[in-house]
Amino acid sequence: AQTVTQSQPEMSVQEAETVTLSCTYDTSESDYYLFWYKQPPSRQMILVIRQEAYKQQNATENRFSVNFQKAAKSFSLKISDSQLGDAAMYFCAYRSYNAGNMLTFGGGTRLMVKP
Amino acid sequence: GAGVSQTPSNKVTEKGKYVELRCDPISGHTALYWYRQSLGQGPEFLIYFQGTGAADDSGLPNDRFFAVRPEGSVSTLKIQRTERGDSAVYLCASGYSGLDNEQFFGPGTRLTVL
Repeated sequence: AQTVTQSQPEMSVQEAETVTLSCTYDTSESDYYLFWYKQPPSRQMILVIRQEAYKQQNATENRFSVNFQKAAKSFSLKISDSQLGDAAMYFCAYRSYNAGNMLTFGGGTRLMVKP
Repeated sequence: GAGVSQTPSNKVTEKGKYVELRCDPISGHTALYWYRQSLGQGPEFLIYFQGTGAADDSGLPNDRFFAVRPEGSVSTLKIQRTERGDSAVYLCASGYSGLDNEQFFGPGTRLTVL
């Protein structure tokens, strides 16, 4: 079974600064997807960014980018020019190519943005 | 268009009671998922529907939990003889079939068992 670990329960960043959230995972598979989701107090999970394991190039979406290290099984999220609206819980998630379509989530990191 | 909706938003019940949680997926989405999110944790998979059938129910914790999707659209998660440990946010997500397709989440139902 796959596991996803987020070792930072809380992170804090100054507005307009850059912050990196860490995620590691454990799998024996070679093909899979990785995701970062944002969960604001409204509880609704919002997809921030996704990465296909077969792609060597790191995914980017505007101010959000990832550092995907397949050999190290590491998938960190970098948020540049942090905004107050970025404050939320962030979850790293894994989805297998071969074992159904469910997501396996990490425990989450609470991001606080200071004005 | 409308997103995934879940009703009720909050549900408070007493230990031993039966509850039903409803999920209305995005129109046309054939895949539907239920997850449970306990306080301070990430969501955990419960069950996955492809159309009307449960393609994977390996995440259901015990036989008190059951889910249906009779017409391939709306789904109901049913919990019998509720226990205090069932208190959590129950999230529903829908999407098109295929590994490459995004799961769209609803706002969840917060269940509190007293």
